[in-house]
Amino acid sequence: NAGVTQTPKFRVLKTGQSMTLLCAQDMNHEYMYWYRQDPGMGLRLIHYSVGEGTTAKGEVPDGYNVSRLKKQNFLLGLESAAPSQTSVYFCASSYRGAYEQDFGPGTRLTVT
Amino acid sequence: DAKTTQPPSMDCAEGRAANLPCNHSTISGNEYVYWYRQIHSQGPQYIIHGLKNNETNEMASLIITEDRKSSTLILPHATLRDTAVYYCIVRVVSGGGYQKVTFGTGTKLQVIP
Repeated sequence: NAGVTQTPKFRVLKTGQSMTLLCAQDMNHEYMYWYRQDPGMGLRLIHYSVGEGTTAKGEVPDGYNVSRLKKQNFLLGLESAAPSQTSVYFCASSYRGAYEQDFGPGTRLTVT
Repeated sequence: DAKTTQPPSMDCAEGRAANLPCNHSTISGNEYVYWYRQIHSQGPQYIIHGLKNNETNEMASLIITEDRKSSTLILPHATLRDTAVYYCIVRVVSGGGYQKVTFGTGTKLQVIP
């Protein structure tokens, strides 16, 4: 199993540009999550999904959109990137909401 | 979810046991203690979890006090590859539905040669 994979690993955007981060898992997990991690702040949940076709807001959803069209994929979109969205983004998945989460390797995004 | 308190940093000599404490004095009866770690620049990795009994797996042991207000993660023979930030989390585990996981700032463990 590849586990949780994220694409791309690194990206630099200019303010106002858009992009989509892709998360894929091959463990048949129902739940998927997007977190961001900033220095000294731990991980903060952006959005999550409890199953194919569903999404829900986390702690810091503003400026992001998500979609879960297929069970194995969870996409995170930035429609108009801002410097405040410079961060490391982690995707995770779990069998159910109460189970431990498996994390991807992260995407390092810089917005200039 | 209950709040946890961990020391910001610890050192451990290579080959010795690393004992990482966590205080969760407001833990509820239905909340489990989870431990994750994050090696530099990588995604967090699940280590172990428990409710009230001590737990052991191939990675670590988890000792939970009888009153459940604190716990200790033990890495029996620390190696340089165990250098990481260790997160102690308490959360409700009850069947289906989204269960919030709050990652604090954790303990930065430095294993010294």
